[in-house]
Amino acid sequence: GAVVSQHPSRVICKSGTSVKIECRSLDFQATTMFWYRQFPKQSLMLMATSNEGSKATYEQGVEKDKFLINHASLTLSTLTVTSAHPEDSSFYICSADRGEQFFGPGTRLTVL
Amino acid sequence: GNSVTQMEGPVTLSEEAFLTINCTYTATGYPSLFWYVQYPGEGLQLLLKATKADDKGSNKGFEATYRKETTSFHLEKGSVQVSDSAVYFCALTFRNEKLTFGTGTRLTIIP
Repeated sequence: GAVVSQHPSRVICKSGTSVKIECRSLDFQATTMFWYRQFPKQSLMLMATSNEGSKATYEQGVEKDKFLINHASLTLSTLTVTSAHPEDSSFYICSADRGEQFFGPGTRLTVL
Repeated sequence: GNSVTQMEGPVTLSEEAFLTINCTYTATGYPSLFWYVQYPGEGLQLLLKATKADDKGSNKGFEATYRKETTSFHLEKGSVQVSDSAVYFCALTFRNEKLTFGTGTRLTIIP
């Protein structure tokens, strides 16, 4: 049990477009999900905490208007990168809280 | 703030060798400590954890002991296998809130 999926696994987009990444808890409900970003050869950095039915809590330095988070149900959180630019290219990982965090496989975003 | 420093990789070992991946932390108070593993193409999985000083976490032949005197949580395995090839992350948290990760150590085991 405790499986978390992400979709898509890879996405390539043009600069200026928006990209939506989905994070789903497949066999449990999660009131809290987390979004992380990982640069090559660097650590996972927490971007925001997503709470079902309320606004996400963003970490210092993360632009909430650029990285829109929606947690509309107990099994789904979405991260939308708005007006993406090449510097947003990264590996985005979500996790869902079930007493401990269970991680999705990640989404690699490449912005051309 | 809180931080985790772990051994830089990559680490390459022969099968059946002894493994140590060092991890030290900086935090105010006594956090819970974790080791996560990321196999190729997969998400992070919890490998083991320890929630208080002198606790030893263990799983799949891996062990790590929470040492508050040295603020360390080094990962060890007595005899590694090819299937242990992965990236290993050390992390800490307080009260199961946000995790602070180390940079990850890529481990490759050659037959």
